[in-house]
Amino acid sequence: GAVVSQHPSRVICKSGTSVKIECRSLDFQATTMFWYRQFPKKSLMLMATSNEGSKATYEQGVEKDKFLINHASLTLSTLTVTSAHPEDSSFYICSAKPPGTSGRPHQETQYFGPGTRLLVL
Amino acid sequence: AQTVTQSQPEMSVQEAETVTLSCTYDTSESDYYLFWYKQPPSRQMILVIRQEAYKQQNATENRFSVNFQKAAKSFSLKISDSQLGDAAMYFCAYMSGGGTSYGKLTFGQGTILTVHP
Repeated sequence: GAVVSQHPSRVICKSGTSVKIECRSLDFQATTMFWYRQFPKKSLMLMATSNEGSKATYEQGVEKDKFLINHASLTLSTLTVTSAHPEDSSFYICSAKPPGTSGRPHQETQYFGPGTRLLVL
Repeated sequence: AQTVTQSQPEMSVQEAETVTLSCTYDTSESDYYLFWYKQPPSRQMILVIRQEAYKQQNATENRFSVNFQKAAKSFSLKISDSQLGDAAMYFCAYMSGGGTSYGKLTFGQGTILTVHP
């Protein structure tokens, strides 16, 4: 099956610093990756869509200058939380979608990374 | 915009019994996909089952099956012969089949399932 990794799994940083989270598709090329944010016992909220070689598309209410997304290759997308503050503490999850194939069913499946727990002190 | 509603914040079931988790959605689209994801305490999202809206037949994956009622915009998940490992938070999710929202998942609020031995 398709595997997506995230690094780091958890990070603690001081307020005002920047933190980079990596999302990698290990055994497939992902033309599109998605970044989600999840609060404890809550649902996943889509933050942005990351397309390889182009600018990310941010959802309404998400600060693009705060959450920088780079999708430099078909297997790697990064999320940088700039000037992090305690309210940015959360669980960040990425997902990756393989490119379309002749068979419809599987191209719609997204594969999720294990998530990154960010704590800003 | 599409919305997904899970009206059961918590459900419980005895081991080996059957439980049904509810999900309704609102959309004006005709082409879309519906998913159930499981999130155990590890917080890794795991795909449980997938349904294409253009298919009338309900999807089935081993002990997991769905009741897809397109006209009613309902997509419930039935777990048969519940096992302790089924305990998790379950999310219902919607994805557009095309357009600018293609690929984006909209999740419901989630249902925490407890399995009693």
